[in-house]
Amino acid sequence: QSVLTQPPSVSGAPGQRVIISCTGSSSNIGAGYDVHWYQQLPGTAPKLLIYGNFNRPSGVPDRFSGSKSATSASLAITGLQAEDEADYYCQSYDSSLSGSVFGGGTRLTVL
Amino acid sequence: QVQLHESGPGLVKPSETLSLTCTVSGGSMNYNYWSWIRQPPGKGLEWIGYIYYSGSTNYNPSLTSRVTISVDTSKTQFSLSLSSVTAADTAVYFCARVNNWNPSLQHFDYWGQGILVTVSS
Repeated sequence: QSVLTQPPSVSGAPGQRVIISCTGSSSNIGAGYDVHWYQQLPGTAPKLLIYGNFNRPSGVPDRFSGSKSATSASLAITGLQAEDEADYYCQSYDSSLSGSVFGGGTRLTVL
Repeated sequence: QVQLHESGPGLVKPSETLSLTCTVSGGSMNYNYWSWIRQPPGKGLEWIGYIYYSGSTNYNPSLTSRVTISVDTSKTQFSLSLSSVTAADTAVYFCARVNNWNPSLQHFDYWGQGILVTVSS
């Protein structure tokens, strides 16, 4: 049972837009802590995709965007491409655990 | 470009201690936090803990009784020790750099490729 809740899977056709949600509580996202997103391609290490709720590291396409509100956050991917097929994880800080917490991960399938 | 590389045994016997090392290259360890994260096969990510370059640590409460993270800046390495392992500790172990000293802003910007550690007799 992860502290942050994500849907196990989402899917979309090439070119479409998908949104992945990340729901927390008053001890993490709701407390104002930043949310970050990672992309994990099969058999590889996670890669930072979004940091500080909506910032993209250099090299990350602007098809990826993040947002945050109250006790949840979202990752939006527009113009879906086959190469986007991966697992996506949200991460934040939790004050009751005094450390980082991750969502359970969402597998994106490009149909 | 900062690079991290995990090393250590891929097989550990139950009740023994798992020991891994992460070697950092392409940048200084100074003024940064360094972390260990693990991922059981087919499952999600779990934060294990982190260490500041000066040696102060913070561990996941669920693992704190069994975990020790240490650092050797002269070798640009930091290490993980996990005692009394069971099959539940079988996972890919990643080392990563923590970006930002402020806990509310912390995220992991550079990762090692990961090392699979299996706990089995």
